Amino acid sequence: EIVLTQSPGTLSLSPGESATLSCRASQSVSVNYLAWYQQRPGQAPRLLIYHVSSRATGVPDRFSGSGSGTDFTLTISRLEPEDFAVYYCQQYSSFPRTFGQGTKVEVK
Amino acid sequence: QVLLQESGPGLVKPSETLSLNCTVSGYSISNGYYWGWIRQPPGKGLEWIGNFYHGGSTHFDPSLRNRVTISVDTPNNQFSLRLATVTAADTGIYYCARLTLGATGPNFVDFWGQGALVTVSS
Repeated sequence: EIVLTQSPGTLSLSPGESATLSCRASQSVSVNYLAWYQQRPGQAPRLLIYHVSSRATGVPDRFSGSGSGTDFTLTISRLEPEDFAVYYCQQYSSFPRTFGQGTKVEVK
Repeated sequence: QVLLQESGPGLVKPSETLSLNCTVSGYSISNGYYWGWIRQPPGKGLEWIGNFYHGGSTHFDPSLRNRVTISVDTPNNQFSLRLATVTAADTGIYYCARLTLGATGPNFVDFWGQGALVTVSS
């Protein structure tokens, strides 16, 4: 099983700042099969990024993904009020499909 | 627009079976994609439960495999989850989801239901 470890657990930032979220895999994620989701309080998760760096439909271009192998990053430039939420990475390289434990981006 | 809606009892007694239904609108579950279930314990992260491809393969998380059944009602465009012998650790929000089709199985979730809270308690 691929274990995904996200860091930091909580990121305290102000609107307008940039956020850098990390997702590290316990073994290589092949073919860049990694996605990112955003979950706002009381809502279902929402797909942001798939295949490491492809933005889902309707996702603003301030969200970007990068990385390969075992190290992946979600960058949010110019944080908007609606971006304060919890973010999860997910791998679909091997079974079972697994999620990271999440990073909370909170208002400083 | 693809919509998924979970329904079922919000309270289940320990040792009994949790049953949830997912009604899909806007897309036929027999037309492709994987369909499945993901859960979230209170205040915690996401846990993949299992999924199926209509007329094809199924996959389950190994830790739940022995207790999980996913079945399909094609005429009503619904699918369901049954989780046997529940304990308090099975309490959480249960999401039904559509997963994109990959070379080796399901990929990522592109559509989520709103989620159904199920509490296991006597």
